[in-house]
Amino acid sequence: QQQVKQSPQSLIVQKGGIPIINCAYENTAFDYFPWYQQFPGKGPALLIAIRPDVSEKKEGRFTISFNKSAKQFSLHIMDSQPGDSATYFCAASSADSWGKLQFGAGTQVVVTP
Amino acid sequence: DAGVTQSPTHLIKTRGQQVTLRCSPKSGHDTVSWYQQALGQGPQFIFQYYEEEERQRGNFPDRFSGHQFPNYSSELNVNALLLGDSALYLCASSLLGVQETQYFGPGTRLLVL
Repeated sequence: QQQVKQSPQSLIVQKGGIPIINCAYENTAFDYFPWYQQFPGKGPALLIAIRPDVSEKKEGRFTISFNKSAKQFSLHIMDSQPGDSATYFCAASSADSWGKLQFGAGTQVVVTP
Repeated sequence: DAGVTQSPTHLIKTRGQQVTLRCSPKSGHDTVSWYQQALGQGPQFIFQYYEEEERQRGNFPDRFSGHQFPNYSSELNVNALLLGDSALYLCASSLLGVQETQYFGPGTRLLVL
């Protein structure tokens, strides 16, 4: 039973485009929502994270939008570059299970030159 | 400042054998979590260690066990290996109470034949 559902499975955008990855969850106890970037042969690297009391957070070219009532959150990659080509994972955890991250299935993003 | 390190990088075992994977956390971190990432999927939480004790455990059988040493490094042991145990095993370290700082190592790729 996957607690965090992620879509799409893959997407291709041209350089400068804005890939958007969506995630949905059911567990209302989740209170921490990070996004990870993973390159082939590497471990996941923390990109950006958000808590439910904030609707949007930006860090560089990465933006998280959060809709608490819909239990959905998304990652936007502004002005995407070929170097952003990677697999992106959303995740969630709750205060009562601190450190136990529930991951989505991942989205493979390809940015063409 | 060294990040999370894991050894070995790759490992090939046969069904029924036992394997031990090792992890050194990022300097200053005291908590280690282990995840299993099957090909094309998101990481799945195995367990977490703090103060040399298992704090939390995911839905993994008792064949999966671990240990944390006084210097915070950790081992993951898997007994009676099955073909389905073939995966990338990831170690993540963090500082208790600061869940945002969960850093992943590069992983150990285990192939069970």
